Parts: sequence; C-alpha cells; structure tokens
Amino acid sequence: DIQMTQSPSSVSASVGDRVTITCRASQGIDNWLAWYQQKPGKAPKVLIYAASSLQSGVPSRFSGSGSGTDFTLTITSLQPEDFATYYCQQANSFPFTFGPGTKVDIK
Amino acid sequence: EVQLVESGGGLVKPGGSLRLSCAASGFTFSSSDMNWVRQAPGKGLEWVSSISSSNIYIKYADSVKGRFTISRDNAKNSLYLQMNSLRAEDTAVYYCARGFGSGYCDYWGQGTLVTVSS
Repeated sequence: DIQMTQSPSSVSASVGDRVTITCRASQGIDNWLAWYQQKPGKAPKVLIYAASSLQSGVPSRFSGSGSGTDFTLTITSLQPEDFATYYCQQANSFPFTFGPGTKVDIK
Repeated sequence: EVQLVESGGGLVKPGGSLRLSCAASGFTFSSSDMNWVRQAPGKGLEWVSSISSSNIYIKYADSVKGRFTISRDNAKNSLYLQMNSLRAEDTAVYYCARGFGSGYCDYWGQGTLVTVSS
C-alpha cells in the first residue's frame, strides 16, 4: 500500500499569510494526487486534483504542485474561511490512501 | 444540484450488522463511480470501498475486506454498504462520495454515524 505523510501536522497562521503544506508518497504516484479541505462537522471538499488542477469553484489562492513522491498545497493570502484541516489523497492505485491531515488554525 | 444523502447509521453491538444507503440525485448516477470513505471520531479520513459505474470493479480497504460489501442499484440511484462482523474500530462517520477523474471524490454526502459498542 502507498503511505501518505503530511507536514506540518498543524500550522498557526494569520489572515493574509501564505501557507504551504507538503505531502509525500511512499512511492511514486505520478500526479495522481488530490487535496481536500475539511471544516469541523462537515464533509471534505476537493480543492485540487491531478496534483495541480484547480477544482471548479475553488478560489485561485489555492494551488498545487508536484509529481512523483513530493507534492505541495499553497494558499496565498489566507482568508478567514480557510481555517480548516487539509488532507492529501493518492489515487494512483488501490487502496486509495489519505494523508493524516494538516490543521490550519488562527495564530 | 448534486445531492448525496446517507442513511442507515446507528448503534450496533460488536459482531452485528448494518446496511448503509446513499441516495443520489442531480447527476447521472449510472455513469459515476462511487466511494465510501469513513472518519473515526477525531481522526483522519480513511477510504473504505469503491465501485465503478457498471460494477466492472469493486475494491475494498484491507481493514474491511471480507466483512463489508459495496453495491449499487442504478435504477434506484442508490449506493449501499453492507457491514457485517462489526468491530469497535469501525466506529466512524461514513461518507458516500462521487468519484471523478479515476480516483478522486468531488461530491460528498453529509455522512452517517456508525457506532459499534456493547
């Protein structure tokens, strides 16, 4: 199975900050990676798929990059509604696996 | 508007069974791959199972293989998860999610809570 790791596990940031979250796969997954945002008590929401494709309706301050084993989610100019937990997910092969999550909270 | 509505969750004793349902609307269900993803209280997301649009493939996480069965009824626009031999570690919110792009999930239901406890 492909293991996914994320760093940091949590980050404290202020509105307007640039935030970068890293996701690493235990083996190469090409660009078969998605990023999800989840707020407490809510279902996840897909932000990025295929490593760098922005899902329709998602603000352009979210961007993704990477290929192979190392990936990055960047939020430029953090907004109040962006405080949430972010998960990466590999879709290269079954079983699909998620990273452990990165919580972005208010500094 | 795409809607996924899960039902069937509840409290069940260890070793018991439960059947979750997911009613889909607002899209062509028969053309969509579907997934179940769960989240234990205070924990991260765990993929559980996937089924392709026409049942060509069905996949399970090792943690549920042999105990859970995913199925769909395209005529009823419904997805199911039959859960047998339930364990305490199966306690979670179970989400139904539409698949897209060969492995991603774009639309999610609100989730249904399954609690396995004596």
